[in-house]
Amino acid sequence: AQRVTQPEKLLSVFKGAPVELKCNYSYSGSPELFWYVQYSRQRLQLLLRHISRESIKGFTADLNKGETSFHLKKPFAQEEDSAMYYCALGISGGYNKLIFGAGTRLAVHP
Amino acid sequence: GAGVSQSPRYKVAKRGQDVALRCDPISGHVSLFWYQQALGQGPEFLTYFQNEAQLDKSGLPSDRFFAERPEGSVSTLKIQRTQQEDSAVYLCASSLALFQSYTFGSGTRLTVV
Repeated sequence: AQRVTQPEKLLSVFKGAPVELKCNYSYSGSPELFWYVQYSRQRLQLLLRHISRESIKGFTADLNKGETSFHLKKPFAQEEDSAMYYCALGISGGYNKLIFGAGTRLAVHP
Repeated sequence: GAGVSQSPRYKVAKRGQDVALRCDPISGHVSLFWYQQALGQGPEFLTYFQNEAQLDKSGLPSDRFFAERPEGSVSTLKIQRTQQEDSAVYLCASSLALFQSYTFGSGTRLTVV
């Protein structure tokens, strides 16, 4: 079955600390992975996708097919990073149907 | 428009009432998706349109849910005889082409009382 697991509902860190938001997936096909972010009172927006292999706002994520993981990392958290983060799996089938995880709330304290 | 627009932003319905939720995608966007997000959960896929064709409705939870996009632009998600378990945020997203990234709307928060 296709599934995305984000084991932490809440991750609380201090400003300047490293951050790692965990994401594991289950999918028999060729996966496409995304991270979406939702800041307070804003709409859900794409943060990054694995095929782009880019760093957005200092965040990076590497697809590890052996461990079926796509963890999101940032070396030094900022207060403005506080938000809900959703990992999503793109199901191949002619279009981008997404399976989302339950989300992790990142709280960065001063 | 500049983004995906959804209306109403909030809807309170009495159990058994029918509701209609509207989505205005970005002009020219071919693909349109509806997702349902229950409290404390991630969005769950409901249905997908390519232009006016509804190509996947596998996520619609029951036959009380119906979606349409008759002219390939605006879409309406209709829920008949609403139940308490229908309470959720309903998100619409559109994309320019099949494998482009989505742009999400702000959602409609439906509360069934």
